[in-house]
Amino acid sequence: DSGVTQTPKHLITATGQRVTLRCSPRSGDLSVYWYQQSLDQGLQFLIQYYNGEERAKGNILERFSAQQFPDLHSELNLSSLELGDSALYFCASSFRGASTDTQYFGPGTRLTVL
Amino acid sequence: DQQVKQNSPSLSVQEGRISILNCDYTNSMFDYFLWYKKYPAEGPTFLISISSIKDKNEDGRFTVFLNKSAKHLSLHIVPSQPGDSAVYFCAASAPRVGGGKLIFGQGTELSVKP
Repeated sequence: DSGVTQTPKHLITATGQRVTLRCSPRSGDLSVYWYQQSLDQGLQFLIQYYNGEERAKGNILERFSAQQFPDLHSELNLSSLELGDSALYFCASSFRGASTDTQYFGPGTRLTVL
Repeated sequence: DQQVKQNSPSLSVQEGRISILNCDYTNSMFDYFLWYKKYPAEGPTFLISISSIKDKNEDGRFTVFLNKSAKHLSLHIVPSQPGDSAVYFCAASAPRVGGGKLIFGQGTELSVKP
């Protein structure tokens, strides 16, 4: 158990809908990261927050947005969902959000868009 | 542009023997490298890391070697056990790429046979 929690574990929805994925970091960690794992793309970095502020951005679609709240939990919002958004979404956390931090991953949310 | 590559999608090893998983990278700005292990339906689990100022790091049965001139790292597992069967990902980060963003390889599926 990494100490990172993600809810829900599974999510099934229809095209065009909007969903919110939630992540709670390990106790004491200030930085949260979101990654997407799809069959053909591997693990792809989406976005990083540190203490409520956006720190780094990857190839995150404009239909996707995220935020980190004062209690340090984070939410990833996916809207106007398409079939290709079906993937595993992982949240990770680290203490400082630096490039030499070790990131600890949650169990993931499996999103299926029908 | 695949900056981190794991060219072997799979590897099969006999129990008790050495497993060697390889990873190549192209970006000379990477300064921190990590190996993660992943079971199906779970998040990646951190195994071991190495900073670019070192060429070797050991933790129990796991050793990571870094050859900066060749832009190559490898993970050695000795002795291999059936419980080591999983997908192994190498990942890299760089301070100027942006925050703590990790770039992952495509993974190598290790199968350790009794």
